Amino acid sequence: GIQVEQSPPDLILQEGANSTLRCNFSDSVNNLQWFHQNPWGQLINLFYIPSGTKQNGRLSATTVATERYSLLYISSSQTTDSGVYFCGQNNAGNMLTFGGGTRLMVKP
Amino acid sequence: EPEVTQTPSHQVTQMGQEVILRCVPISNHLYFYWYRQILGQKVEFLVSFYNNEISEKSEIFDDQFSVERPDGSNFTLKIRSTKLEDSAMYFCASSDEADTTNEKLFFGSGTQLSVL
Repeated sequence: GIQVEQSPPDLILQEGANSTLRCNFSDSVNNLQWFHQNPWGQLINLFYIPSGTKQNGRLSATTVATERYSLLYISSSQTTDSGVYFCGQNNAGNMLTFGGGTRLMVKP
Repeated sequence: EPEVTQTPSHQVTQMGQEVILRCVPISNHLYFYWYRQILGQKVEFLVSFYNNEISEKSEIFDDQFSVERPDGSNFTLKIRSTKLEDSAMYFCASSDEADTTNEKLFFGSGTQLSVL
């Protein structure tokens, strides 16, 4: 089956710092999405990005499908960015396979 | 902004009991899903549902599980005889895959199921 690996597993940042989260996947991508799980457990969809680059405020994401990875950039991090960031991928059908997540803590 | 709603937010049950978790997907969406997340672990796919039938299911979704869309708005997950290892956060999700340029998955806030 599809393997999705995320790095780093844990990340601590000082408020204002920038960071890059990585998602590697084992198979060709049809659907790649990034999610933020906040401390209350809610999963918020950040990006649908099977290829190319998208930006939304301080967040941007890039997927290089030919090299089977995606990156999530967080600039000028804020304490509200804390939580777990998941990427999920599929190559066909509806089933997203999720990575293990990157647990981010932004300190004031 | 439209959202997926789930009820209840927390459910405590005794082992062997039946539970029904309820979801109201976003109204114009066509695809519905259940995922679960055991505490501290990754989110796992259970089942997808389209056109009133299951389109895909994982190995986790065994005979103890069933899904139903009893009317035009609700989407339910039933666990017939709960086991301790069913304790998890259960997420409902929906998507409008008719929009092939943006097949985002939208999740509800989850139901935390605790089996005692």
